[in-house]
Amino acid sequence: DAKTTQPNSMESNEEEPVHLPCNHSTISGTDYIHWYRQLPSQGPEYVIHGLTSNVNNRMASLAIAEDRKSSTLILHRATLRDAAVYYCIPRNRDDKIIFGKGTRLHILP
Amino acid sequence: NAGVTQTPKFQVLKTGQSMTLQCAQDMNHEYMSWYRQDPGMGLRLIHYSVGAGITDQGEVPNGYNVSRSTTEDFPLRLLSAAPSQTSVYFCASSYSGLAGIPTGELFFGEGSRLTVL
Repeated sequence: DAKTTQPNSMESNEEEPVHLPCNHSTISGTDYIHWYRQLPSQGPEYVIHGLTSNVNNRMASLAIAEDRKSSTLILHRATLRDAAVYYCIPRNRDDKIIFGKGTRLHILP
Repeated sequence: NAGVTQTPKFQVLKTGQSMTLQCAQDMNHEYMSWYRQDPGMGLRLIHYSVGAGITDQGEVPNGYNVSRSTTEDFPLRLLSAAPSQTSVYFCASSYSGLAGIPTGELFFGEGSRLTVL
């Protein structure tokens, strides 16, 4: 299973962009990179995923390094509601989806 | 839209009792899984299933049994509850995609809070 490294915590000001990094240097060529977040007292929710190209959706953007050893989740304009734990997860064919410790994002008003 | 439904939402057990946490999904998802989350910690995978009749162990399978007789249901059984199993349990499902390509997003239930005294 590919291992991931994420900062334990990050802070950002409200209404500013946030860049959440993830290192997954042991990722295999067929692993998709998924991001989830968990708001306080809730279950995790899907944010975005990608394979090689950068991806955008209504929640966020995902920038994947050319060598695929790292990726960055970009929240374009953070709100207080974005305060959560963000998980970066390589997902492979055997479907054993392992959540690491994630990054706790604090948003300052 | 029911999505992933977990029951019960809350349960208190005494040490040594057994119980089953129910999980059902109505999205025809092939993949289903169970996680536990202890206070202030991340999610840990207990068991998972890539389709009816197929189950496999996750990171922390000891003390738990699962079965997958239908696509819709994936119950988690605690055989003899211990205080160390006090946790919030989440069930999740996804569409694994054609040929097992892991593109599907995981949908989570609301969680089942279990306390073992």
